[in-house]
Amino acid sequence: QLQLQESGPRLVKPSETLSLTCTVSGGPISSSSYYWGWIRQPPGKGLEWIGYIYYSGSTYYNPSLKSRVTISVDTSKNQFSLKLSSVTAADTAVYYCGSYLRGTYSFDYWGQGTLVTVSS
Amino acid sequence: QSALTQPASVSGSPGQSITISCTGTSSDVGSYNLVSWYQQHPGKVPKLMIYEGSKRPSGVSNRFSGSKSGNTASLTISGLQPEDEADYYCCSYAGSSTLVFGGGTKLTVL
Repeated sequence: QLQLQESGPRLVKPSETLSLTCTVSGGPISSSSYYWGWIRQPPGKGLEWIGYIYYSGSTYYNPSLKSRVTISVDTSKNQFSLKLSSVTAADTAVYYCGSYLRGTYSFDYWGQGTLVTVSS
Repeated sequence: QSALTQPASVSGSPGQSITISCTGTSSDVGSYNLVSWYQQHPGKVPKLMIYEGSKRPSGVSNRFSGSKSGNTASLTISGLQPEDEADYYCCSYAGSSTLVFGGGTKLTVL
C-alpha cells in the first residue's frame, strides 16, 4: 500500500516561490502504473487540481496555473515536487499530494496534506 | 476549463437515499466515463469513493453508487448513515490530460 507525505515550508512570502516535496513509500515512484499529482484546498473551499507527473518526467498542469507551476520527479529519492511561483494570498491552501492508477484519473492514495500560508 | 457544478448542500434522514449531481459539459463529463467521487470529513483527507463513473474501490460500501446521464454524473448513497455526513466532490477528466473538480456538496444526515 502506498503512503505519501508532503514536506516543505509552511509560510511563504508574497511574490516568492512555494516549494513542496512528496515522499512516496510502499512502492517505487518509477512504477509504470501510477501518475503522481498535486491538489490544493483553500481554507473552507473546494478542491482544485494543480497537476501531475509521470515517472518519465511528462507533466500535465491545470491551465489556470500552468504559467506558475512546475512539477518534477526524483526517482532516486522516490519523491516528486511542486513549485508555484509568484504566490499571493489566494494561494494559501492545504496542499495534498496524491497518486492515481494510470488510466483511471482518480486519486486513490493521498498524503495528509500541508497548510501553506502566503503572508508577509 | 470551468469547475463542475454541484449543489451546495443536500440532506436526508438515516435509512433514506440521496443523490448528488455533478454537471459538466460535453468537453468533460459528457465525453468520458472518467468521473470520480471523493468523500471528505471535516479536517480529514479526501477519500476515493467512486472511480470511472461507477466503480467502487476495495473497501467502499456498496451503498455508494455512481452513474451518468449526458453531461451530468450522479452519486447515490442508499441506506443513509450518520457517518456519511461529509463533503462530497466530483472530479472529471476534461481532455488534454487535464482534470476538473466540482465545487463540493455538503451532505447533512438529519
